[in-house]
Amino acid sequence: QVQLVQSGAEVKKPGASVKVSCKASGYTFTSPDINWVRQATGQGLEWMGWINPNSGNTGYAQKFQGRVTMTRNTAINTAYMELSSLTSEDTAVYYCARVGPSNKWPDFDYWGQGTLVTVSP
Amino acid sequence: QSALTQPASVSGSPGQSITISCTGTSSDVGGHKYVSWYQQHPGKAPKLMISQISNRPSGISSRFSGSKSGNTASLAISGLQAEDEADYHCSSYSSAGTPVVFGGGTKLTVL
Repeated sequence: QVQLVQSGAEVKKPGASVKVSCKASGYTFTSPDINWVRQATGQGLEWMGWINPNSGNTGYAQKFQGRVTMTRNTAINTAYMELSSLTSEDTAVYYCARVGPSNKWPDFDYWGQGTLVTVSP
Repeated sequence: QSALTQPASVSGSPGQSITISCTGTSSDVGGHKYVSWYQQHPGKAPKLMISQISNRPSGISSRFSGSKSGNTASLAISGLQAEDEADYHCSSYSSAGTPVVFGGGTKLTVL
């Protein structure tokens, strides 16, 4: 069965960077795009960007341009999201999500379990 | 502030029907058919309930249905059950700026 398993919770200081991983199984990793979405406590969802695991092509929300980097390692079926220059505003749960068979935004049919990133002095 | 507008909360009794609205603009909800709805229980990841305005993925109950009129999409849930109590998020493709936008989420309470 399709699974996206993310890395564990992180605590970072302001100004630091965090790298979250998303390991895929149960399907051909290189086929659908992986997207990253975050959710601050008690808030709505916020789209951050996407990566095509086959080509490595990426696209980022303007809000995160220059601060986010999405990569992948096809040998281990894993996608990564790195966010730099962290502030308290980046405290949130970060999700990876797979685009569904329609290959259209915003049809995300499988999601990781989420990774809590806490930014605290 | 979210790009799409949803009511903060709705409620209904078991067996009743409710509707959640999601209002955007002609650049997103009103401009095409790529509107999705997600259900999210506390501490869990979102779950796709409706895609492309009204399509139910495999395994999703027929009690859930989606529609759209102009710049407003709607999620209807009939025959409310206790397990439907959750947050519901709408999402749309957008041709202006960020390509994926979300609503702020609606908390559904089953009384």
